[in-house]
Amino acid sequence: QKEVEQDPGPLSVPEGAIVSLNCTYSNSAFQYFMWYRQYSRKGPELLMYTYSSGNKEDGRFTAQVDKSSKYISLFIRDSQPSDSATYLCAMGPLVFHSGGYQKVTFGIGTKLQVIP
Amino acid sequence: DAGITQSPRYKITETGRQVTLMCHQTWSHSYMFWYRQDLGHGLRLIYYSAAADITDKGEVPDGYVVSRSKTENFPLTLESATRSQTSVYFCASTRTGQPRAGELFFGEGSRLTVL
Repeated sequence: QKEVEQDPGPLSVPEGAIVSLNCTYSNSAFQYFMWYRQYSRKGPELLMYTYSSGNKEDGRFTAQVDKSSKYISLFIRDSQPSDSATYLCAMGPLVFHSGGYQKVTFGIGTKLQVIP
Repeated sequence: DAGITQSPRYKITETGRQVTLMCHQTWSHSYMFWYRQDLGHGLRLIYYSAAADITDKGEVPDGYVVSRSKTENFPLTLESATRSQTSVYFCASTRTGQPRAGELFFGEGSRLTVL
């Protein structure tokens, strides 16, 4: 079983729809959660991050974390064709001492297409 | 412009040949990484480096060699390419090794085909 599970899609929605992207994880050490967006033939770029349970909003994007269920979500409101991309969840431990490498584990990514 | 650049962007080679993928960053980030991205596997870490002359293995290091003589450069070498190394390779950098301390900045990728 993979540490991080993510449905690869593809997910196709009409413009203006609310999109829900999800990941589940099994490692309790994961305390820091990120969403990366990757356009076709480009490198991933950080979209949002959070390290607490609950919701975090940034414009049309909301990241939600439920640590008790080991489940994270990314919601996109009023989706636009420019949101068409692959969305990768990523997570790692939350460590406060300085130094050392802490591994980031990525999901395989969900491909999203927003139809005009 | 500052950033992280990879070269070549596209490469076709034959089984058994040596290939070097280059990565250069202008932020003076301490940590640099090489990932490969394959369908069904997502991003997998090949090697990483915490500083010049300090490198360590990731999840899938076999068949790859890295070096880091200067902070800004982190080349990845496939000493004898195999078909299973056909993939998209991403270089990334970050200020520290801890996820909470900052995002990973990725290059645009090097698409390698081994025939």
